[in-house]
Amino acid sequence: EAGVTQSPTHLIKTRGQQATLRCSPISGHTSVYWYQQALGLGLQFLLWYDEGEERNRGNFPPRFSGRQFPNYSSELNVNALELEDSALYLCASSLMRGLVIRAGELFFGEGSRLTVL
Amino acid sequence: AQTVTQSQPEMSVQEAETVTLSCTYDTSESDYYLFWYKQPPSRQMILVIRQEAYKQQNATENRFSVNFQKAAKSFSLKISDSQLGDAAMYFCAYRSRGQMEYGNKLVFGAGTILRVKS
Repeated sequence: EAGVTQSPTHLIKTRGQQATLRCSPISGHTSVYWYQQALGLGLQFLLWYDEGEERNRGNFPPRFSGRQFPNYSSELNVNALELEDSALYLCASSLMRGLVIRAGELFFGEGSRLTVL
Repeated sequence: AQTVTQSQPEMSVQEAETVTLSCTYDTSESDYYLFWYKQPPSRQMILVIRQEAYKQQNATENRFSVNFQKAAKSFSLKISDSQLGDAAMYFCAYRSRGQMEYGNKLVFGAGTILRVKS
């Protein structure tokens, strides 16, 4: 079974540009989570999508946005890039069906390394 | 809001010896999950062990065990018989239980780098 896949592996942009990162969840998983891992800061929660809708958002400015497609894959967009956006962006997926939340395990991809020059 | 604190930025252990990684958390909730994740140089986060707050018994997975002290809000990870492959960044994480608006969202600590010496 394929795991969570992310693309691109590395991305280099300049200040002010836009970056788009992509994530394909494990087959059957409907929830996708995005995290930012900046040096020394651990993982900071960005966004959660489930069944095509944004369910929860972390403490990030609106220029961080995304969407989830009908096949449950997801895209993270970062507009007006700033130097401090340089980080590893991790996507994770999990099961979530109706009112039943499966017990807690997130399955992570290998991340996309974004460098802003 | 919940917070997770890992006070050890870096730890070292000799191969075959035991090491303990510390984690404390802050929450007003009574029911939740706690996790330890491992992130090797490949960058992929791997679940090491999970503890449910309502269970008094400490979780164990082979060489990995936890010391869960609910009153003290402490959740340490003990790695026995350390191996070279254990070298990685280790993250402690918290998840609310039963709160639909958060789903499976995890709150992470800043991580501890574990180095294993041969």
